[in-house]
Amino acid sequence: DTGVSQDPRHKITKRGQNVTFRCDPISEHNRLYWYRQTLGQGPEFLTYFQNEAQLEKSRLLSDRFSAERPKGSFSTLEIQRTEQGDSAMYLCASSLGGATGDEQYFGPGTRLTVT
Amino acid sequence: KNQVEQSPQSLIILEGKNCTLQCNYTVSPFSNLRWYKQDTGRGPVSLTIMTFSENTKSNGRYTATLDADTKQSSLHITASQLSDSASYICVVSIQTGANNLFFGTGTRLTVIP
Repeated sequence: DTGVSQDPRHKITKRGQNVTFRCDPISEHNRLYWYRQTLGQGPEFLTYFQNEAQLEKSRLLSDRFSAERPKGSFSTLEIQRTEQGDSAMYLCASSLGGATGDEQYFGPGTRLTVT
Repeated sequence: KNQVEQSPQSLIILEGKNCTLQCNYTVSPFSNLRWYKQDTGRGPVSLTIMTFSENTKSNGRYTATLDADTKQSSLHITASQLSDSASYICVVSIQTGANNLFFGTGTRLTVIP
């Protein structure tokens, strides 16, 4: 257990439905990251927050995806009008920030299946 | 182009045997290299981290090496156990920016009794 938690661990939804995932980072960590991982691949960066500010978004993050981190604590990732191609593991990670290359601690992930 | 390549893609070994996983990278400016273990359905967990000046780093039965000149790293697992069955991901970090990790696609290791 790295101290980063995610909820739910598994989500099955029908195409076209909206889903929301939550990530609770390690409490003193300023940076929070979202990644997507498909089977047999490494994680792909989606977005990251420095405290409550969303500072970078990947081109993978279409307009159906939105992430928030109110108050700089937990974060949510919402996918609207889900498509089968959204099926993947969504990983959250957090780090202290402030130093280049500081270690990211990953949560257990949320496995999304879109039917 | 910043890339991290791992080999083999998958590996099956007998319990108790040793194995070595490879990682080649073309990432710069290099900051550090980490090996992560990812159990099926779980998030990655860091095993080792090495900076430019470090050649070897051990964590129990796991030993990582780094050759910064050839941009190669290896992860050696000694006396494998069934619990070592997992994906092992090589991750290279660059010196600039917060989105600074480059992930390999991982090596899927299966240890059989």
